[in-house]
Amino acid sequence: DADVTQTPRNRITKTGKRIMLECSQTKGHDRMYWYRQDPGLGLRLIYYSFDVKDINKGEISDGYSVSRQAQAKFSLSLESAIPNQTALYFCATSVPTGGQETQYFGPGTRLLVL
Amino acid sequence: DQQVKQNSPSLSVQEGRISILNCDYTNSMFDYFLWYKKYPAEGPTFLISISSIKDKNEDGRFTVFLNKSAKHLSLHIVPSQPGDSAVYFCAASARWGGSEKLVFGKGTKLTVNP
Repeated sequence: DADVTQTPRNRITKTGKRIMLECSQTKGHDRMYWYRQDPGLGLRLIYYSFDVKDINKGEISDGYSVSRQAQAKFSLSLESAIPNQTALYFCATSVPTGGQETQYFGPGTRLLVL
Repeated sequence: DQQVKQNSPSLSVQEGRISILNCDYTNSMFDYFLWYKKYPAEGPTFLISISSIKDKNEDGRFTVFLNKSAKHLSLHIVPSQPGDSAVYFCAASARWGGSEKLVFGKGTKLTVNP
């Protein structure tokens, strides 16, 4: 069974629509992250949360919002989708171990904005 | 500016030979380094890591070398196998303000030819 799951796995939407990507984890980790991957640009951090009451912007948070509903759930919303938000989106979790943190990723959501 | 750089977008090697993937970083505050492997349609998976207090870490066919003076790390895979064909991401973290965040390179696509 997957420890980090993402839904949906694929989504096509139109410009201006609001969509939500969901992430759930059974690893019991406090820390959760949302990244996007674009060809040739690697993984870029959108938002992160170190516990249920903690939300922080990453390097490319504009146009996105998040909600940490519980320790196990972290949702990413695009309030009004635009074509340049077409990308692969990954959720990740982690727990720090002596200052050396390893992140564990979900399978990704492929989003196409028309 | 890019703090973690993988200057080779792709690498092709023969099965059984050594694969060497390189990564450079600019921030001397980075104190933990990781390599992730990513297959198509899957999320990145953790492969191996190294702390800044070490210069080498080995795990089976995978060895990571860290040269702090040069701000350079490399991943050696020997012998390379066709199943190693994937995109490899280098990542680094630092304790900024008491919280760790990973910064990723853009990735190197490794192809191991039978």
